[in-house]
Amino acid sequence: NAGVTQTPKFQVLKTGQSMTLQCAQDMNHNSMYWYRQDPGMGLRLIYYSASEGTTDKGEVPNGYNVSRLNKREFSLRLESAAPSQTSVYFCASIDRGNYTQYFGPGTRLTVL
Amino acid sequence: AQSVTQLGSHVSVSEGALVLLRCNYSSSVPPYLFWYVQYPNQGLQLLLKYTSAATLVKGINGFEAEFKKSETSFHLTKPSAHMSDAAEYFCAVSDRPGTYKYIFGTGTRLKVLA
Repeated sequence: NAGVTQTPKFQVLKTGQSMTLQCAQDMNHNSMYWYRQDPGMGLRLIYYSASEGTTDKGEVPNGYNVSRLNKREFSLRLESAAPSQTSVYFCASIDRGNYTQYFGPGTRLTVL
Repeated sequence: AQSVTQLGSHVSVSEGALVLLRCNYSSSVPPYLFWYVQYPNQGLQLLLKYTSAATLVKGINGFEAEFKKSETSFHLTKPSAHMSDAAEYFCAVSDRPGTYKYIFGTGTRLKVLA
């Protein structure tokens, strides 16, 4: 049982490049989330997926798109990266039974 | 709208001293409240949670928190700090049943002095 996994762990992009951050969970959770973490700002919700086939915007969705590929996988795409998107990105899923979110190890992204 | 305020972005305590990390929340509905810990270069790990049962909640590693509705607070405490407690701590509030979304505070970095 790996929990929540994220790839890659680190990434450096140039402004304007695109990339997809991958997330998978093996806990059979319905809901999944993407956050970004910036110093002094805590975690801010980018997008979430309440269940397979649905996605909704969070607090800071601009510049991002998401795909809920199936129940296990939830990807985050940056179509044209900007320096303001330099951040650490966390994926999470929730066990609705005990109302607890489980987090992946994060992806550290730098946009030059 | 829900919100969380964590007072003190940095807190330093001596090893063996009391740890007190403050969290105040705003919610229009009875909240669920959480404390998470983040060690360097790692993801977040649940310390404890309040989900409307007992108001004094005990978590892992000797931490506990008390839900005080009258003060809209959910402060995290530990009687005796250990060097291994050095980390960043996040308070979060969630609507219920709602969308199961969390709103996080800005975090408090705990430093433990030898």
